Amino acid sequence: DIQMTQSPSSLSASVGDRVTITCRASQSISNYVNWYQQKPGKAPKLLISAATTLQSGVPSTFSGSGSGTDFTLTIRSLQPEHFATYYCQQSYRTPPTFGGGTKVEIK
Amino acid sequence: EVQLVESGGGLVQPGGSLRLSCAASGFTFSSYWIHWVRQVPGKGLVWVSRINSDGSDTDYADSVKGRFTISRDNAKNTLYLQMNSLRAEDTAVYFCARGYGGSHYFDYWGQGTLVTVSS
Repeated sequence: DIQMTQSPSSLSASVGDRVTITCRASQSISNYVNWYQQKPGKAPKLLISAATTLQSGVPSTFSGSGSGTDFTLTIRSLQPEHFATYYCQQSYRTPPTFGGGTKVEIK
Repeated sequence: EVQLVESGGGLVQPGGSLRLSCAASGFTFSSYWIHWVRQVPGKGLVWVSRINSDGSDTDYADSVKGRFTISRDNAKNTLYLQMNSLRAEDTAVYFCARGYGGSHYFDYWGQGTLVTVSS
């Protein structure tokens, strides 16, 4: 199985900060990375597919980059509603696998 | 509006069985692959199983292969997960999720149903 390693596992940031979350795949996966946001007690929400494609309705505050093995999710200006846990996921090969998550907390 | 609503979770003893359902609405259910993903409370997401649009092809995580069976009824817009020989480590919230096309990423998710395996 392809392992997805996210870092950091948690971070504290302030409203307005720029936040970057990284995800590394155990092998090259082209651009087959997707990013989800999950708030406590809620289902995950798809933010970005194919490494860089912002989903409809997701604010442009979010952006994704990378290819091969290294990927990033950037939140340009952190807002109160962005405090959540973020997961990367590879869809290059079955079984689809997720990173361990990054919890973004208020500083 | 796309909606996925899971049901059927609950408390079951080790070795027991449970069947989860996922009722879909707001889209052409028969055109989409659907997946089950689970999450131990406070932990990460783990893919469990998927079924293609007409139900002719399925796939499972190694951890559930031979114990879980995914199926669908396109006439009822409903997905199922039959879980047998349940173990304590199967305790989790189970989400159904719509696959985007035939790819293995998930554009809509249900709210989840909690399965607890305990004596």
